[in-house]
Amino acid sequence: EMQVVESGGGLVQPGGSLRLSCAASGFTFNTHWMAWVRQAPGKGLEWVANINPDGDKTHYVDSVKGRLTISRDNAKNSLFLQMNSLTAEDTALYYCVIHGAWNFGYWGQGTLVTVSS
Amino acid sequence: QSALTQPPSASGSPGQSVTISCTGTSSDVGGYKYVSWYQQYPGKAPKLIIFDVSERPSGVPDRFSGSKSGNTASLTVSGLRAEDEADYYCSSFAGSKSYVFGGGTKVTVL
Repeated sequence: EMQVVESGGGLVQPGGSLRLSCAASGFTFNTHWMAWVRQAPGKGLEWVANINPDGDKTHYVDSVKGRLTISRDNAKNSLFLQMNSLTAEDTALYYCVIHGAWNFGYWGQGTLVTVSS
Repeated sequence: QSALTQPPSASGSPGQSVTISCTGTSSDVGGYKYVSWYQQYPGKAPKLIIFDVSERPSGVPDRFSGSKSGNTASLTVSGLRAEDEADYYCSSFAGSKSYVFGGGTKVTVL
């Protein structure tokens, strides 16, 4: 069974950094695009970033470019999101998602990031 | 990368149909056949229910159907059931491997 489990969320001060991780199992990780999608409390979904199976092509929503970095370790079936220069607007539940061909096929349960002083 | 436009709420009685619209532009919804829809219950992760405008993943009831005309996509839930009460989000490929979501629609079964 496909499974992705996020970790690494928590409380961080504005301007701080955090690294999210996503452990994947139950599917061939190194053949799938992967993505991070976030949801601010009480708000809608927002695509954040995605990465190709080889890890050498990444894409970001404009609001996070230069601050958030998506990466993967295929040997460890893991996806990451390095988050720097965080602001209150980054406060959200961050979902690790297995990409379908042109959709978000399977979602983890999310890890909560709170940016506050 | 502007969000797609969805009505904030929609409702219907059991057995009726409800249709949710999702309006974008020629750079996203109107430009590609890659509109998808997600169902989300409170406190739960979203679930893919429609992809490529009108295709259903295995296990999704055929009460859920999707369509598109121009820059507007639609999700129709036929034969409404109490368990269909949830939030629904549309999403579209927007070029250059980027994606955009709608603001979400809360469906209430009266």
